[in-house]
Amino acid sequence: GQSLEQPSEVTAVEGAIVQINCTYQTSGFYGLSWYQQHDGGAPTFLSYNALDGLEETGRFSSFLSRSDSYGYLLLQELQMKDSASYFCAVRDYQAGTALIFGKGTTLSVSS
Amino acid sequence: DVKVTQSSRYLVKRTGEKVFLECVQDMDHENMFWYRQDPGLGLRLIYFSYDVKMKEKGDIPEGYSVSREKKERFSLILESASTNQTSMYLCASSGDSGANVLTFGAGSRLTVL
Repeated sequence: GQSLEQPSEVTAVEGAIVQINCTYQTSGFYGLSWYQQHDGGAPTFLSYNALDGLEETGRFSSFLSRSDSYGYLLLQELQMKDSASYFCAVRDYQAGTALIFGKGTTLSVSS
Repeated sequence: DVKVTQSSRYLVKRTGEKVFLECVQDMDHENMFWYRQDPGLGLRLIYFSYDVKMKEKGDIPEGYSVSREKKERFSLILESASTNQTSMYLCASSGDSGANVLTFGAGSRLTVL
């Protein structure tokens, strides 16, 4: 089976940098994805890492280390609108075409 | 923009009722998924489908069934609703071969009394 671990809550102030970690266990591995969900909204895709290293998209970056079964989402220059839940997700051989999600990290950004 | 439309935003049903949750996507995506979301538990996969008339069980299929008669439509069926099925249900679709980029619908909040 698969399992993903991420912190349940993170707090930070505007302008700061925050890192949300995700460790995973899978029976085979295709890649690690990150999704953002605002309160009352639908999850939206942020990033995907299939290979080791850092992927940067504006203020957000995502990192993967396959050998450590570990990844993180880095949010820079935090804004109030970044307050949301962030989910890591993996696709592995057992799940086929489906993504398996972690329990999510609630990020609260204060002024 | 890809649109995934869930027919009902809020539903209230009684224990034992049969419940249909409908999901339609307009981008010719092969893959469609049903998740349920509960506080502290994240998104849990119920069923998914990678083609018309094909279905695969996810992590929590008990008490649910699905139907995919047309490519654009994926229905989730609760044969006999129970109170522990009170939840937010999220439908998603994906067209990329890696199925890593999911587009979600707005969700259907189901309350079973």
